Amino acid sequence: DADVTQTPRNRITKTGKRIMLECSQTKGHDRMYWYRQDPGLGLRLIYYSFDVKDINKGEISDGYSVSRQAQAKFSLSLESAIPNQTALYFCATSDETSGIGDTQYFGPGTRLTVL
Amino acid sequence: TQLLEQSPQFLSIQEGENLTVYCNSSSVFSSLQWYRQEPGEGPVLLVTVVTGGEVKKLKRLTFQFGDARKDSSLHITAAQPGDTGLYLCAGGRGSNYKLTFGKGTLLTVNP
Repeated sequence: DADVTQTPRNRITKTGKRIMLECSQTKGHDRMYWYRQDPGLGLRLIYYSFDVKDINKGEISDGYSVSRQAQAKFSLSLESAIPNQTALYFCATSDETSGIGDTQYFGPGTRLTVL
Repeated sequence: TQLLEQSPQFLSIQEGENLTVYCNSSSVFSSLQWYRQEPGEGPVLLVTVVTGGEVKKLKRLTFQFGDARKDSSLHITAAQPGDTGLYLCAGGRGSNYKLTFGKGTLLTVNP
C-alpha cells in the first residue's frame, strides 16, 4: 500500500466551484506539504504544516486554504476555483530527523482541470 | 524569484551516452536534493548532499555539491531508457527548512 495517498487522482470542475483535495499518510510524519506543478514552472509550495496546530503559507497560497484534521490528514481547498488553478497537485510528507536534508515523500498527485 | 536554475530544460540522447545536468543559484543552501519524477507519479528522492564539495555516487549517477553550496550537478554515465524522467533539484535552507525546487530537466533516453 502507498504511504502517501491523494484523492481524487483526477478532477474536472467548473469555474466558481468549491473543490477539496485530500491527502493521507501512513508514515507517521509530522510535516506535510501541498505543492502545485505547472509545465515550465516546476513545483511551488502552497501550504505546509509542521504539526496539527502549525499551518503556514507557502509562496503561492492565495486562492487556497488548508485543514490539518489529524497528523495523518492534510486537505487542500479551492474555495472558488478559477481556470489558472488548473495544475497537478502534490501532497508530501517529511520527518524531521536532522532538520537538514530531510527526505520529502510525495503522493501520486491529483490532476485538476478547471473549465 | 527563481532561486534555482536548472539546465538544460530538455535533453534527448541515445542509450549509452553520458550526460550532465546542472542546478545553479546565487544563494547558499544548507543542502541540495535531487529527485526523479516519472509520468503519473510524484517525485522520488535520489540523493541529498549537505557538504560543500561533496560527491555522491548512486550506481551510474554521480552527484556533486559545489564548494560554495550554491550549485550542484548530476552526471549520468551510459544512460539507459530507464533513466528517462524529470530530474528536479531542490535546495533547503532557513530555520524552518522549506524546499525550493528548480523547474526540472526533462531527460529522454532513446533505445
